[in-house]
Amino acid sequence: AQKITQTQPGMFVQEKEAVTLDCTYDTSDPSYGLFWYKQPSSGEMIFLIYQGSYDQQNATEGRYSLNFQKARKSANLVISASQLGDSAMYFCAMNEDTDKLIFGTGTRLQVFP
Amino acid sequence: DVKVTQSSRYLVKRTGEKVFLECVQDMDHENMFWYRQDPGLGLRLIYFSYDVKMKEKGDIPEGYSVSREKKERFSLILESASTNQTSMYLCASSYTGRSKETQYFGPGTRLLVL
Repeated sequence: AQKITQTQPGMFVQEKEAVTLDCTYDTSDPSYGLFWYKQPSSGEMIFLIYQGSYDQQNATEGRYSLNFQKARKSANLVISASQLGDSAMYFCAMNEDTDKLIFGTGTRLQVFP
Repeated sequence: DVKVTQSSRYLVKRTGEKVFLECVQDMDHENMFWYRQDPGLGLRLIYFSYDVKMKEKGDIPEGYSVSREKKERFSLILESASTNQTSMYLCASSYTGRSKETQYFGPGTRLLVL
């Protein structure tokens, strides 16, 4: 079974609009962490945001926020006020109280003017 | 600033060749990782090392081996490259026991096996 599921292979959004990238996860471990990464066409993985399973509040980092719904096992990334430079692949990942990450298959976001 | 470097950005090899991909990190991280990235499959862990000379198989170790003789350096070896090993290879590093912290990634190596 997939541990991390990203159901949107591709998304389009107009500049300055908000966009939500979906991520659901599957774990029976009560302690886990969720990460989002951005991968531009150049290839490097850029860390965006982290949410711990025991964190009471949704994580935010600038224009990025994580909509964490624990009961639904979802950890959607919200990008507000999209910019052309946000066009990239986005990966959701999880660790289950270990140092190893499990990645989803990614969502390609295209921002158009 | 954490820096993870990989020996090549692009590499073209022939089937059957022995291929070395090198990764170096400058943050004294205990953990180092090799991933393979393919379209529609995301990143998959090939091997993981949590200390010098220590390694653990990931999800897809077949056809690969690794070497970690020094803490800062982690090598991925394709003993006899095959066309199905054409892929993007990403190295990463992190501290042990800091699972709330991100892994730090290198720029990736795009390997083409002909």
